[in-house]
Amino acid sequence: TQLLEQSPQFLSIQEGENLTVYCNSSSVFSSLQWYRQEPGEGPVLLVTVVTGGEVKKLKRLTFQFGDARKDSSLHITAAQPGDTGLYLCAGPIIQGAQKLVFGQGTRLTINP
Amino acid sequence: ETGVTQTPRHLVMGMTNKKSLKCEQHLGHNAMYWYKQSAKKPLELMFVYNFKEQTENNSVPSRFSPECPNSSHLFLHLHTLQPEDSALYLCASSQDSGYTDTQYFGPGTRLTVL
Repeated sequence: TQLLEQSPQFLSIQEGENLTVYCNSSSVFSSLQWYRQEPGEGPVLLVTVVTGGEVKKLKRLTFQFGDARKDSSLHITAAQPGDTGLYLCAGPIIQGAQKLVFGQGTRLTINP
Repeated sequence: ETGVTQTPRHLVMGMTNKKSLKCEQHLGHNAMYWYKQSAKKPLELMFVYNFKEQTENNSVPSRFSPECPNSSHLFLHLHTLQPEDSALYLCASSQDSGYTDTQYFGPGTRLTVL
């Protein structure tokens, strides 16, 4: 059982369309992070949301943290081919020591 | 060089080989991490080092042996691996090992075990 479930696992859309990907858990998280990983590279942190209900915007990307701090969403407006990549959500847990747990990711392809 | 670098970028090895992965960070961070990224599983934390001391071993088999000679360098020594160990191995660093500190990832080493 994964602590963080991401959906959909795969998404392929045309340039200019809007999309939303989700990160859900049955556990409460103090914060959630979103990363983008491009082929041949490591994940790069996009944003951290820390307050229930918080909305953060990064150009055409809008991130929201659920009111109960169990879920988060990433909405992309007018997707572009440069948005193609693996989107990962991650949250901190304490299992002995503090660590980040990751969802399995959403692989997004934007077709020109 | 800036950020987090990893070498080699690709590695193919037999089950009886011994090899090492290298990670170097140029960010002045105190914590370094090894992660495993498989095709069908989420990114998994393997080891954490803080100020050269190992603070986390996430039940990793002994055929993986980490070494952290200083805060800037991290190695993962590999021996008698199994085909299921084939994966992308990612190194990361952060200012300290608290989970609020942003982790910066290297590009990874793509490992194939034959």
